Amino acid sequence: GDSVTQMEGPVTLSEEAFLTINCTYTATGYPSLFWYVQYPGEGLQLLLKATKADDKGSNKGFEATYRKETTSFHLEKGSVQVSDSAVYFCASRPPGNTPLVFGKGTRLSVIA
Amino acid sequence: NAGVMQNPRHLVRRRGQEARLRCSPMKGHSHVYWYRQLPEEGLKFMVYLQKENIIDESGMPKERFSAEFPKEGPSILRIQQVVRGDSAAYFCASSPGQESYEQYFGPGTRLTVT
Repeated sequence: GDSVTQMEGPVTLSEEAFLTINCTYTATGYPSLFWYVQYPGEGLQLLLKATKADDKGSNKGFEATYRKETTSFHLEKGSVQVSDSAVYFCASRPPGNTPLVFGKGTRLSVIA
Repeated sequence: NAGVMQNPRHLVRRRGQEARLRCSPMKGHSHVYWYRQLPEEGLKFMVYLQKENIIDESGMPKERFSAEFPKEGPSILRIQQVVRGDSAAYFCASSPGQESYEQYFGPGTRLTVT
């Protein structure tokens, strides 16, 4: 079945550092890809998405590009802030109204 | 437009009791998904429902767990005779049912079994 693998955390960065969280997927078809963010004690919020190869999702300074050739959807941000501290989940979803398949999550801590 | 509502936010049950978790989808959404998040783990799919129908329950444990989404009212995830291993955060998500729409998550119910 489909699966998502993302880099293990925790990741600790200083404010204004560059962030990369790696995510790769396996799928039989052409899934949509997502990054969700979970702040402490809260539910998941959609951060960005891409629905086809070479699409770039972006939001709040975060970006990720759907790379079909490397089956990847790495999350990047040029300059992180303390308020970005959270757990980030990469997810895939096969076409149609299907369940999301999540990675295990990467905890990010940004220190001032 | 209110988001996905879940209640209670926190639920404590003793071993052997029943836990009942509620999810009200966003207005206009007719599809509901339930996921479980164990400590330090990602979310795992449990069940997918439309109004009055279970579409996919492949992630649901075969015993003690059941789910419904009646014509009127919220979706209910029911866990009978809870055990300590059921302690987790349970999230529901809703979507309007069209292929291009993402799923919107509720704040979750954190179940603790003592």
